Amino acid sequence: ILNVEQSPQSLHVQEGDSTNFTCSFPSSNFYALHWYRWETAKSPEALFVMTLNGDEKKKGRISATLNTKEGYSYLYIKGSQPEDSATYLCAFRSGATNKLIFGTGTLLAVQP
Amino acid sequence: NAGVTQTPKFRVLKTGQSMTLLCAQDMNHEYMYWYRQDPGMGLRLIHYSVGEGTTAKGEVPDGYNVSRLKKQNFLLGLESAAPSQTSVYFCASSTQSGGEQYFGPGTRLTVT
Repeated sequence: ILNVEQSPQSLHVQEGDSTNFTCSFPSSNFYALHWYRWETAKSPEALFVMTLNGDEKKKGRISATLNTKEGYSYLYIKGSQPEDSATYLCAFRSGATNKLIFGTGTLLAVQP
Repeated sequence: NAGVTQTPKFRVLKTGQSMTLLCAQDMNHEYMYWYRQDPGMGLRLIHYSVGEGTTAKGEVPDGYNVSRLKKQNFLLGLESAAPSQTSVYFCASSTQSGGEQYFGPGTRLTVT
């Protein structure tokens, strides 16, 4: 059974704070690691798809890093804004399957 | 482009009733997926398809059937609904098996 774990489960920060969360996944047979942003009452939207060890991707104030050898990825948000409030999901795909295994997400609440 | 659409948005069924959820995408994607979302759990894959006329089981396929008769449509059927199938169902599609997935708006199903 492939396990994808995210921490923390939830996070409350003040506007302007920088924050980061973690996704842990199996380190063997890696194919891809996805990050999605999921706002309440909407559907998940892709942020990043990462495939190479050491990969670092950036979109505005959000960035992500990937370590496939030790099986983790970090998502960073610089200067959080209330509109960043959402659940952030990571999903792992091994080389053996066509399927994504999702973590349970980190719920971020940014207070003005 | 409408992207990924799902019909219906909400449905209430009695135990033992049947229904079909429709997912349609207009992006010419090969891969389509059905997930369910339950509180405290990540998105769990029910069934998926790697192309027209093909389907495969995901993580939680029991009690569901699917069909992909046309490339743009992926149908999820419940032959005899059970209260354990109360959930929010999301459809997604992608161009390739490791690529980012595009999600529909979800269908909230309640089985009483």
